[in-house]
Amino acid sequence: DAGVIQSPRHEVTEMGQEVTLRCKPISGHNSLFWYRQTMMRGLELLIYFNNNVPIDDSGMPEDRFSAKMPNASFSTLKIQPSEPRDSAVYFCASSPYNEQFFGPGTRLTVL
Amino acid sequence: GQQVMQIPQYQHVQEGEDFTTYCNSSTTLSNIQWYKQRPGGHPVFLIQLVKSGEVKKQKRLTFQFGEAKKNSSLHITATQTTDVGTYFCAGRYNAGNNRKLIWGLGTSLAVNP
Repeated sequence: DAGVIQSPRHEVTEMGQEVTLRCKPISGHNSLFWYRQTMMRGLELLIYFNNNVPIDDSGMPEDRFSAKMPNASFSTLKIQPSEPRDSAVYFCASSPYNEQFFGPGTRLTVL
Repeated sequence: GQQVMQIPQYQHVQEGEDFTTYCNSSTTLSNIQWYKQRPGGHPVFLIQLVKSGEVKKQKRLTFQFGEAKKNSSLHITATQTTDVGTYFCAGRYNAGNNRKLIWGLGTSLAVNP
């Protein structure tokens, strides 16, 4: 198995632009998590899905952030419009039940 | 609210010295997991502790879960340069279908050769 796949690995964009981050979880894992990591706030859970259904989105910063999981093998995290304070590494992780398997992350820079 | 405190934030040791990081929760945990993140990498699962007072070992790493299931520790004996990275604890409150982990801020370990 290739593990959790995220794209793009790096994204540089300008303030106000729309950003879409993509994740393909490990096949058979029924939970998917989106995290944001910064030096200041550490690893923050944004949202997680069970069986493609959003369960807890209390960590989503504001209406500019949205996440979807249209099927068991794909999820997106969208930021519209992006702001410089959104600059961070965004991780997707999938889980069969207990342990979480992280993707390599997307490093987002908003200028 | 549910919060997991982790100390110290940073630790710098000489190769061969021991290292310990501690996690504390104000309320009882269902279980606790430990992850390691190498510089520039992503968190990688190390272990999960479930039972009160549980102790697990992985080579030079020893993991403990407190009797009250509110605290945990990771101890590394005789550190090596390959141990460099950030160690996170992550606690789960309420078993069952809750998959959410509450993460500590991590302890960054630097090892001088």
